[in-house]
Amino acid sequence: DGGITQSPKYLFRKEGQNVTLSCEQNLNHDAMYWYRQDPGQGLRLIYYSQIVNDFQKGDIAEGYSVSREKKESFPLTVTSAQKNPTAFYLCASSAAGGSSYEQYFGPGTRLTVT
Amino acid sequence: DQQVKQNSPSLSVQEGRISILNCDYTNSMFDYFLWYKKYPAEGPTFLISISSIKDKNEDGRFTVFLNKSAKHLSLHIVPSQPGDSAVYFCAASAGAQKLVFGQGTRLTINP
Repeated sequence: DGGITQSPKYLFRKEGQNVTLSCEQNLNHDAMYWYRQDPGQGLRLIYYSQIVNDFQKGDIAEGYSVSREKKESFPLTVTSAQKNPTAFYLCASSAAGGSSYEQYFGPGTRLTVT
Repeated sequence: DQQVKQNSPSLSVQEGRISILNCDYTNSMFDYFLWYKKYPAEGPTFLISISSIKDKNEDGRFTVFLNKSAKHLSLHIVPSQPGDSAVYFCAASAGAQKLVFGQGTRLTINP
């Protein structure tokens, strides 16, 4: 079945440690995205990539880094510079171009930093 | 600056009645609008979308209406069912495939 996988589902880290969240898709989509969701708030865009080896900052990129070495993979690193890292992180992908802007989402990773 | 706003954090509707979720936007460059449904601890799933060249799109029990002059869209669910209880997000795009999301409305369908 085609889809997006994120692992792990739950992640716990100590403050000051970097942590990398995995996102893999087998939908053959060119574009991939990382969002963060906090209680009572919508999804806020962290980074996005429309093609391999290229990515752009979203609205809240500070304290995060990404790489896009393969079409299928778009890992997100939450660095120790991110002031409030505890959140629910969602990865999405979409087909570049065309008339549909629909994004497909993974199941999410809940990160707790103490 | 919140470009997409869902002013009702929650909505409670009786099973079988119509649910109406509202969304307002400020950016006149938005040309495509989507609604997503989200259950707790899961990723959002796409429900329905509408292009700015239309004012209505229907898919089964779900209908989205777009009023460009008022910069307002709404999602109608009829009849509402218990499985519709979830958080609903509206999203908008200005052609670059980046989506801007509203804060979400928690819909509860009561038996």
